[in-house]
Amino acid sequence: EVQLVESGGGFVQPGGTLRLSCAASGFTFSSFEMNWVRQAPGKGLEWVAYISSSGGTIYYADSVKGRFTISRDKDKNSLYLQMTSLRAEDTALYYCARNYDSSGYSSLDYWGQGTLVTVSS
Amino acid sequence: SYVLTQPPSVSVAPGKTASITCAENKIGSKSVHWYQQKPGQAPVLVIHYDSDRPSGIPERFSGSNSGYTATLTITRVEAGDEADYYCQVWDSSRDQGVFGGGTKLTVL
Repeated sequence: EVQLVESGGGFVQPGGTLRLSCAASGFTFSSFEMNWVRQAPGKGLEWVAYISSSGGTIYYADSVKGRFTISRDKDKNSLYLQMTSLRAEDTALYYCARNYDSSGYSSLDYWGQGTLVTVSS
Repeated sequence: SYVLTQPPSVSVAPGKTASITCAENKIGSKSVHWYQQKPGQAPVLVIHYDSDRPSGIPERFSGSNSGYTATLTITRVEAGDEADYYCQVWDSSRDQGVFGGGTKLTVL
């Protein structure tokens, strides 16, 4: 059974730093492209970042470019999101999600339950 | 940037058909994916590549995409279908994922 379990969320002050993790199991993690998607309280879904299966290709949403870094560790079957210079508008539930395939325009077929990040003074 | 426009809300009586649209000028040239999100739960993929149903999704869910509009259709609507629905594409010109604003489906 495919499982994605996020962790690392919490309360942080504006300008602070946080590192999210997503532990993957039930599939060959190194073969799949991965994403982070977030959802502010009461709002819709927002795509945040993508990383290829090898880690060699990375894309970001404009809203986080230069502040967030996506990475992965194939030995630990884990996906990460390093978040710096956090702002109040980064407050959201952060989901990791797996690409269905490597078509270049794939759907997201499995999602974790999310980890909550709150940025406030 | 790519903007996908969805109606904020759609209401339908049980047993009837619900149609949820996702509009953009050139959406017919994109592959559109649809997600269902119930309160307090993670999104679930219900339709991908315009009209393909992932394993485990009832046949009552179907999709189409042409011209300016992609549509998610749910036939014989049940109370359990009440949820938020999001369309999504990949914007290859900017290498970014894009979600629609979401549509709240209410079963009357």
